[in-house]
Amino acid sequence: GQNIDQPTEMTATEGAIVQINCTYQTSGFNGLFWYQQHAGEAPTFLSYNVLDGLEEKGRFSSFLSRSKGYSYLLLKELQMKDSASYLCAVLDSNYQLIWGAGTKLIIKP
Amino acid sequence: IAGITQAPTSQILAAGRRMTLRCTQDMRHNAMYWYRQDLGLGLRLIHYSNTAGTTGKGEVPDGYSVSRANTDDFPLTLASAVPSQTSVYFCASSADEGGNEQFFGPGTRLTVL
Repeated sequence: GQNIDQPTEMTATEGAIVQINCTYQTSGFNGLFWYQQHAGEAPTFLSYNVLDGLEEKGRFSSFLSRSKGYSYLLLKELQMKDSASYLCAVLDSNYQLIWGAGTKLIIKP
Repeated sequence: IAGITQAPTSQILAAGRRMTLRCTQDMRHNAMYWYRQDLGLGLRLIHYSNTAGTTGKGEVPDGYSVSRANTDDFPLTLASAVPSQTSVYFCASSADEGGNEQFFGPGTRLTVL
């Protein structure tokens, strides 16, 4: 079966750095996405990785290792507005997105 | 219209009733999707359409049907609603079915009693 694992909840302090991990087992791989979802709102796109390595975009970076079936999302200089759920999703061999349950990130002052 | 819209925003429905959730996008995207999101679970794909005139089944299609008569609209119909269909429903679109980001509508919160 297909499976995406990420921690259910994480807590971090404003101004700090947090790393949210995602491991996957899917039938094929055509890329990995990270989305942010604030409570009661729709998911919004953060990043897309298809090759191994680190992609940096401002305060957010995303890393992929295809051989390990592993990705992480790194958030730097945390702000209160970063309190949200972070969703990991893999595009499988049928070009359908398989979604993890999401990691709820709580930022404390 | 800017982006992707859904209607209604929320709905309470009696079991056994028929309901259509509407979704419209103005980005001329080829691919459209319907997901449901339940607490503790990831988004689950109900149905998708890679281009106007074609549709396909996702992970949880039972009890739902879709149509794609044109590029912009992708309605989702529950023929006879059951309480297990209580969920938040998101419509999304992408330029095509490949590795392009999906844009999501604001969601419809549906309660079936």
